[in-house]
Amino acid sequence: EAEVAQSPRYKITEKSQAVAFWCDPISGHATLYWYRQILGQGPELLVQFQDESVVDDSQLPKDRFSAERLKGVDSTLKIQPAELGDSAMYLCASSTGPGNEQFFGPGTRLTVL
Amino acid sequence: KNEVEQSPQNLTAQEGEFITINCSYSVGISALHWLQQHPGGGIVSLFMLSSGKKKHGRLIATINIQEKHSSLHITASHPRDSAVYICAVRGMDSNYQLIWGAGTKLIIKP
Repeated sequence: EAEVAQSPRYKITEKSQAVAFWCDPISGHATLYWYRQILGQGPELLVQFQDESVVDDSQLPKDRFSAERLKGVDSTLKIQPAELGDSAMYLCASSTGPGNEQFFGPGTRLTVL
Repeated sequence: KNEVEQSPQNLTAQEGEFITINCSYSVGISALHWLQQHPGGGIVSLFMLSSGKKKHGRLIATINIQEKHSSLHITASHPRDSAVYICAVRGMDSNYQLIWGAGTKLIIKP
């Protein structure tokens, strides 16, 4: 069964360091989402891609976060520099198109010390 | 007031009990999702529905569009059903983004 892949599953870093997360969506899924989920809260959308284009990054802290999906397939989310408040689960999801059912990856648990 | 409200926030039950989790929303929607998240794990989509009722195994989801309310039922609950259950709605605006509830933490004791 096709799945959304994410790596790493866990990342521990010190504040001010750079971190990067990778997501490989289900093959053929044109829409890709990055979410941040703080413990005890629902996911917050950070960025949404349609193929290689960003369609919504209004909630992305652009001073430190960046996301790319250069070939419209896999995607990378980067944080530089990491801050203590960035500790969270970072979830990637994909769908065949905007508004269609989203399929989630296992997430990357980030701890910033 | 949040646009998507879930109740209860926490639910503990004995194995075998019939479980109901409720979701109310205040916006016009095109679809409602029920998702499951195990501790430390990713999210699994259980149902996407826009009307009526759907059933998958021991899980049943219903939605009443007029009342802006949905319920997720679990029959013959089992400890492996212990997880956070999240309701999310897709608004009728142009960007199709999901509006998420805070989740219901379910614990099923053996």
